[in-house]
Amino acid sequence: LAKTTQPISMDSYEGQEVNITCSHNNIATNDYITWYQQFPSQGPRFIIQGYKTKVTNEVASLFIPADRKSSTLSLPRVSLSDTAVYYCLVGGPYASGNTPLVFGKGTRLSVIA
Amino acid sequence: EAQVTQNPRYLITVTGKKLTVTCSQNMNHEYMSWYRQDPGLGLRQIYYSMNVEVTDKGDVPEGYKVSRKEKRNFPLILESPSPNQTSLYFCASGPGQGVFTGELFFGEGSRLTVL
Repeated sequence: LAKTTQPISMDSYEGQEVNITCSHNNIATNDYITWYQQFPSQGPRFIIQGYKTKVTNEVASLFIPADRKSSTLSLPRVSLSDTAVYYCLVGGPYASGNTPLVFGKGTRLSVIA
Repeated sequence: EAQVTQNPRYLITVTGKKLTVTCSQNMNHEYMSWYRQDPGLGLRQIYYSMNVEVTDKGDVPEGYKVSRKEKRNFPLILESPSPNQTSLYFCASGPGQGVFTGELFFGEGSRLTVL
């Protein structure tokens, strides 16, 4: 299984862009990179997923360099409601029999007014 | 509404008293999984199931059992709970069998306390 390493915590002011980087040096060829958000006492919620280059949706962007050994989740103009724990996961397709996504300890983002 | 439902949401029990936490999803997902979450340790996978009658151990399976007799249900069984199983438990489901999206749908969690 590809192990991921993220910062334990980050602080940001409201309105700033936040970039959370995740290292996954042992990522396998068929692994995807997925990010989740978790609020206290709630289950994690899917944010974004990518395989290579850049992916953007309505809430975030995901940047993946060519070697895929790291990835960066970018949250534009954060607000207080973005205060949460963010998890980076790598994993392969379920159908191939690969062990599905494994969560790490996550990055605790605190947004300050 | 698409959802994953866990019951009970809160439970206080005593050491050795068997209990079951139920999990049900209405999205016809093949894949289901159980996680426990403890302070400072993130989410750790207990068991997962790729489809009916197919289950596999995750990272921390000791002291737990699961079954997958129907696609929609994936109960977590603690045959003889111990205090170190006091935790917040999450059930999750996702599409499988060649449809990999990486998106898991989580239940609201079950907070279990074993005295």
